[in-house]
Amino acid sequence: EAGVAQSPRYKIIEKRQSVAFWCNPISGHATLYWYQQILGQGPKLLIQFQNNGVVDDSQLPKDRFSAERLKGVDSTLKIQPAKLEDSAVYLCASSLGGSDFGELFFGEGSRLTVL
Amino acid sequence: KQEVTQIPAALSVPEGENLVLNCSFTDSAIYNLQWFRQDPGKGLTSLLLIQSSQREQTSGRLNASLDKSSGRSTLYIAASQPGDSATYLCAVKIQAGTALIFGKGTTLSVSS
Repeated sequence: EAGVAQSPRYKIIEKRQSVAFWCNPISGHATLYWYQQILGQGPKLLIQFQNNGVVDDSQLPKDRFSAERLKGVDSTLKIQPAKLEDSAVYLCASSLGGSDFGELFFGEGSRLTVL
Repeated sequence: KQEVTQIPAALSVPEGENLVLNCSFTDSAIYNLQWFRQDPGKGLTSLLLIQSSQREQTSGRLNASLDKSSGRSTLYIAASQPGDSATYLCAVKIQAGTALIFGKGTTLSVSS
């Protein structure tokens, strides 16, 4: 079974530029999550989707971050304009959703460096 | 607001030792708890998932316990190996359908 796929793995940009990350969850997983992990910290939830609807985006900085999950499968996370403090690893995870045990499976992450 | 704390932040042990990693959470009303491993520059690998009704789960040399009433979980690693060196993260799910809340992790170094 293929895991959660993310791209690009690494990205370096200047501040005020924009960047986009892509995630393809495990086939059949209805729930998709984007987490931000700053060096030395645990992952922090940015946004959670159930199919193509948003369940929780309370910690998403909406003035610069946006995310979508068209057709309830792939998802894109965009940052525009980027700030120095956005340097982090962006992790995508998926789970079956519904009445499952709720086990999350993570991708390898996309490491962003903002200069 | 649920908070997850992991102590210690870092741990160094010689190969062969049995060790315990600690995780505590402020609100005992959880749906489940999940332990992950993270290697440098990599994503998270799920190790063990404990449902709120369970007391422990085992996988190979790993054993995770859950005591909801005291807000604690422990990850026991038997006969540690250099390949166990990684950061171990604990995360709780408050209720079905919600996201995981993570601790900051414990970075383990096992020397040969």
